[in-house]
Amino acid sequence: KAGVTQTPRYLIKTRGQQVTLSCSPISGHRSVSWYQQTPGQGLQFLFEYFSETQRNKGNFPGRFSGRQFSNSRSEMNVSTLELGDSALYLCASSLETSGGVTDTQYFGPGTRLTVL
Amino acid sequence: AQKVTQAQTEISVVEKEDVTLDCVYETRDTTYYLFWYKQPPSGELVFLIRRNSFDEQNEISGRYSWNFQKSTSSFNFTITASQVVDSAVYFCALNSNSGYALNFGKGTSLLVTP
Repeated sequence: KAGVTQTPRYLIKTRGQQVTLSCSPISGHRSVSWYQQTPGQGLQFLFEYFSETQRNKGNFPGRFSGRQFSNSRSEMNVSTLELGDSALYLCASSLETSGGVTDTQYFGPGTRLTVL
Repeated sequence: AQKVTQAQTEISVVEKEDVTLDCVYETRDTTYYLFWYKQPPSGELVFLIRRNSFDEQNEISGRYSWNFQKSTSSFNFTITASQVVDSAVYFCALNSNSGYALNFGKGTSLLVTP
């Protein structure tokens, strides 16, 4: 079974631009989560989607947004990029079949975003 | 609030040495889940193990073993007879039914030299 895929793998943008990152979960997985990893802050949770609905959101400004499609694929968007948005963005998927039970999250290779 | 502490920032060992990575967690939830992930230089987080709060049984998988102790809120990871391929950053993480987010520790960078 194929793992979580993320595109693109590398991205270079300039301040003020916007960017869209894509994530395809493991087949059959219904939940997709996004994380930002930086040397200073470590791994931080951005948001989680299930059945096209955002169920949880981390402490990030409104410039960070996401969505999930009916096939469980997800995108995240960052508008008005700032230098501090340079990071590795990781997507994770999980099965989420049983209500109230947390399933294991499996991660993709990440998208490394550099903002100049 | 949930918190995961990995006090060891960097560890350097010589191949074939045993090494233990420490993880201490804080949570008010009675049901929670603990994880270890490995991040090699390529960047992808690789799932290693999951432990539920109601299951304190220790786990052994090949050279890897995990010691979960609720009394001390610790979930330590031991690599026996370390190998160069074990060099990576290892993250301990916590999740509970009150949310869907993984709370990660800062990670421990392990360097195994020949």
